[in-house]
Parts: sequence; C-alpha cells; structure tokens
Amino acid sequence: DTAVSQTPKYLVTQMGNDKSIKCEQNLGHDTMYWYKQDSKKFLKIMFSYNNKELIINETVPNRFSPKSPDKAHLNLHINSLELGDSAVYFCASSLMGTSGHGGELFFGEGSRLTVL
Amino acid sequence: AQSVTQLGSHVSVSEGALVLLRCNYSSSVPPYLFWYVQYPNQGLQLLLKYTSAATLVKGINGFEAEFKKSETSFHLTKPSAHMSDAAEYFCAVGGNAGKSTFGDGTTLTVKP
Repeated sequence: DTAVSQTPKYLVTQMGNDKSIKCEQNLGHDTMYWYKQDSKKFLKIMFSYNNKELIINETVPNRFSPKSPDKAHLNLHINSLELGDSAVYFCASSLMGTSGHGGELFFGEGSRLTVL
Repeated sequence: AQSVTQLGSHVSVSEGALVLLRCNYSSSVPPYLFWYVQYPNQGLQLLLKYTSAATLVKGINGFEAEFKKSETSFHLTKPSAHMSDAAEYFCAVGGNAGKSTFGDGTTLTVKP
C-alpha cells in the first residue's frame, strides 16, 4: 500500500497544453508539498499546504495552480505548458503538528513531465 | 535564511571502501537536518535525521552522520560501500512551515 502516490508517472505533451498531476497520501499527515526536480537533479519547493491551507507559495509562474481538496490530496494543474516546464514533479507529505516544523518528508515516486 | 552546501557533486569509491559525503549548513535557529537518498527513477527516501538529540545519528543501510555545531557540518558516512549504495544523496535542513532546503545533491558511484 503506497504511502504517497502520484499519477500519472509520465506525461508527454505539446507546448500550450494544460495538464494535471494528482497526489494522495495515506499516512495521516497534515502537510503536503510539490517539489520540482530539474534535469540537473536540483530540488526546489513550489507549494505547500497545511490542513488544506496554502502556507508556502514560492516564486512560481501563475500558470501553476495547486489545489488541496482535503488533507490527503494535493493536485497540481499547469496551464499553457512551456518547454522549461519539463521536469520531474514530486509530491511529498509530512507531519507538522503544532511544532511549525515540517519534519521528515515522505516522497512519491515522481511524475516526469516532458513538453515537446 | 537557511542554506545547504554539499561539497562534491560526484563521489566515486571502490566497493568496500569508506563512503564520506559532505554537507555544511547555515541556519539561524537550531537545525533539523536530514539525509535523503534517491535511486534512479524513484522518489527520495529518508536515510537519517538529526533533531537535537544525539549528535551521532544512525540511519538505514549502515549509514550514519555526525552533527558538528562548531563546524556547521552534517557529513554522511558508511564504513564499507556496497554496489547497491550507488545513488543520488541529498542533504537538507528543515525550516519553519515545513520548508526544507535541499543541497544540490551528490552522485555516489561505487566501483567493483
């Protein structure tokens, strides 16, 4: 039973299209994240939701829109895809509680997006 | 502001040799520090974490790391490398609101 699962694992699409990635965690965590890993394997946080509330919103084009329908789900919708959006997108979750610290992250297996 | 520097983007060792992956951090508050491993085409998984308890932290797969406040370091070691240790390793510092800052990663190659 996968702890953090994201779909699809691979997306290949044309420039200008819109795509979505879905993520679900069954760990009972209260915080979920989207990270972007580029071709050099650099990891950068994009967004974070704590109890469905957006708490981290890094400098990301507004073509990227996250949505958290509940604590166990976090989706990422990308409009008007560009070549530079090609990357691996990782969903992660953690238990923050009242500490304010996210603690260790549990990652999904990633969604590899290729924009042609 | 937090930052993490991993010295050496590529480290190559022979099977059975000592593995040493270096990580230095900068944090304005007592840090939460992590090492993650990423195998090809997989997500990251936690190797070990420091949360202000013991300074020598033991993790999975025989890895350990020592927190040295005076050196602002959290280097990862393993006494004897195995072929299966070949992977990408990331050091990270945890921050407020769950914002972990990752180093640029170190690719570990293990030669037979």
